[in-house]
Amino acid sequence: GESVGLHLPTLSVQEGDNSIINCAYSNSASDYFIWYKQESGKGPQFIIDIRSNMDKRQGQRVTVLLNKTVKHLSLQIAATQPGDSAVYFCAENTYGNKLVFGAGTILRVKS
Amino acid sequence: DVKVTQSSRYLVKRTGEKVFLECVQDMDHENMFWYRQDPGLGLRLIYFSYDVKMKEKGDIPEGYSVSREKKERFSLILESASTNQTSMYLCATVQNSGNTIYFGEGSWLTVV
Repeated sequence: GESVGLHLPTLSVQEGDNSIINCAYSNSASDYFIWYKQESGKGPQFIIDIRSNMDKRQGQRVTVLLNKTVKHLSLQIAATQPGDSAVYFCAENTYGNKLVFGAGTILRVKS
Repeated sequence: DVKVTQSSRYLVKRTGEKVFLECVQDMDHENMFWYRQDPGLGLRLIYFSYDVKMKEKGDIPEGYSVSREKKERFSLILESASTNQTSMYLCATVQNSGNTIYFGEGSWLTVV
């Protein structure tokens, strides 16, 4: 379902530290999950995806973990950089290509 | 690279005006989507289309209509704009055989 509120959750990390952004999804039948990054004034950009038959997938500096038991998804960013500052959205593919998005998490990187 | 172009980045319209938001993609993808994005609510699906002349309602279709006369173009129409339609609108596209969705840069609409 939707998250309703005035403020997005915010994660502040020091440059060079690792970041972990969490997401809870709603549909146990969802079979595909994606993380997007959205910088100010731009559309969302694909970061990494994972299918429900996997529990971990690694990319360049990013790792996605999927826990289907508790319907939880996380994005780990290694050695966070100032350019990583953005809003991060998780999305679940419920059926066909219809994606349901989370409300987003703001990542702020302090230099 | 896939290119999804939203021709209007920033618009200001009056209440009651008819508004057209255009989206064009250059990768021959079958599926196209219109979302709106509001603070704290994430991206919500307005309408989507699986093929030319086909359209399906998303989660919040009220107050909107769409047109898909050509495969590469998907238009979002606000028949009579209202202030609660002030938002950022995102167009997106994906192949039938793929799962990755590609977004345009967004159209910021203000209705006064």
